[in-house]
Amino acid sequence: NAGVMQNPRHLVRRRGQEARLRCSPMKGHSHVYWYRQLPEEGLKFMVYLQKENIIDESGMPKERFSAEFPKEGPSILRIQQVVRGDSAAYFCASSPQGGDYNEQFFGPGTRLTVL
Amino acid sequence: GQQLNQSPQSMFIQEGEDVSMNCTSSSIFNTWLWYKQEPGEGPVLLIALYKAGELTSNGRLTAQFGITRKDSFLNISASIPSDVGIYFCAGRFGNEKLTFGTGTRLTIIP
Repeated sequence: NAGVMQNPRHLVRRRGQEARLRCSPMKGHSHVYWYRQLPEEGLKFMVYLQKENIIDESGMPKERFSAEFPKEGPSILRIQQVVRGDSAAYFCASSPQGGDYNEQFFGPGTRLTVL
Repeated sequence: GQQLNQSPQSMFIQEGEDVSMNCTSSSIFNTWLWYKQEPGEGPVLLIALYKAGELTSNGRLTAQFGITRKDSFLNISASIPSDVGIYFCAGRFGNEKLTFGTGTRLTIIP
């Protein structure tokens, strides 16, 4: 039973380019969460999605960031016109249910470096 | 918003020693989770707590849900080299999102 898959594991972008991060949840999981982790810091919630729905995007920056979880395929976190401050590790987690089921299983992360 | 203070920030201990760390919140939670993160990897769930006062073990790890619902504790007994990593607490109230602590970095001195 494969765990949460994220790709790419490492991504290098120049300022102004776009970054696309992908997350495939565990089999049977329909809820996806994205987190950002800066060096030496904890994880900061960004967005919570179900299939075709954004449930909570209270942690998403107002501009340049967007997320989707289509009916088919992985969840995508998209960062447009990246800046150096976007450099971080981005983790995806999935759970079989939101709401009362609290345990989230994390992927290995995508490390984004903006030059 | 909710804040989680995790302490200590780092620990340097000798192999075989016991480890204690804790997490305190500015507001109550009804779920506490403890994760471990190793370099280059995502956090791995260690223990989940759902009830105030609950004490749960996972091998050499024991975690407790504080009775005030504003704190939680993690103990590791007889530490071994593979315990090295960063330990994060996370809390949640109702259907709200998880809030993570800033982590405790554990180093084992040979």
